[in-house]
Amino acid sequence: GQQVMQIPQYQHVQEGEDFTTYCNSSTTLSNIQWYKQRPGGHPVFLIQLVKSGEVKKQKRLTFQFGEAKKNSSLHITATQTTDVGTYFCAGRTSGTYKYIFGTGTRLKVLA
Amino acid sequence: DARVTQTPRHKVTEMGQEVTMRCQPILGHNTVFWYRQTMMQGLELLAYFRNRAPLDDSGMPKDRFSAEMPDATLATLKIQPSEPRDSAVYFCASGFWTVNTEAFFGQGTRLTVV
Repeated sequence: GQQVMQIPQYQHVQEGEDFTTYCNSSTTLSNIQWYKQRPGGHPVFLIQLVKSGEVKKQKRLTFQFGEAKKNSSLHITATQTTDVGTYFCAGRTSGTYKYIFGTGTRLKVLA
Repeated sequence: DARVTQTPRHKVTEMGQEVTMRCQPILGHNTVFWYRQTMMQGLELLAYFRNRAPLDDSGMPKDRFSAEMPDATLATLKIQPSEPRDSAVYFCASGFWTVNTEAFFGQGTRLTVV
């Protein structure tokens, strides 16, 4: 079945450093979403990417969808303590409403 | 402020007991998802409904789990009988599915089976 892997599993950074998480799907995706889950909280939608090679920015966050629509990345510039949490990608294949979540990357930011 | 409401927030039960978790999706949303989150398995999709009809429950252990939507304002997930390996956080999420829309997650039900 479809699998979505993320690397790294954990990342500790000093405040102000950059952070990147990578998401890889075993199958071609129709679209991909990114969510953030704070410790003890629930996943909260960040963004959606649909087009091959698409790049979207939200303030310090940059999201990219690969040309082959099988991978994606999230880059955070100059991390802040408020960026702490687990970042998940969730991929959907065409013909289904089903989103498969990636394994997640847990980010810890040291002040 | 529209939100997905899940009850109970916490549940501790003994092995073998029936557990029912409830979810009230956001009014107007036509798609409901049930996810289970554990440290080992991450976020697993158990089942989802569109317009109250089950579209996929392949992620759910069929012998003990069941999911239903008795009406548009209520989704339920039942485990009977419960086992210690069912201990997890269960999330309900809803969305209005036309094409490519986001899912809104509830706060989750933390289930502990002892």
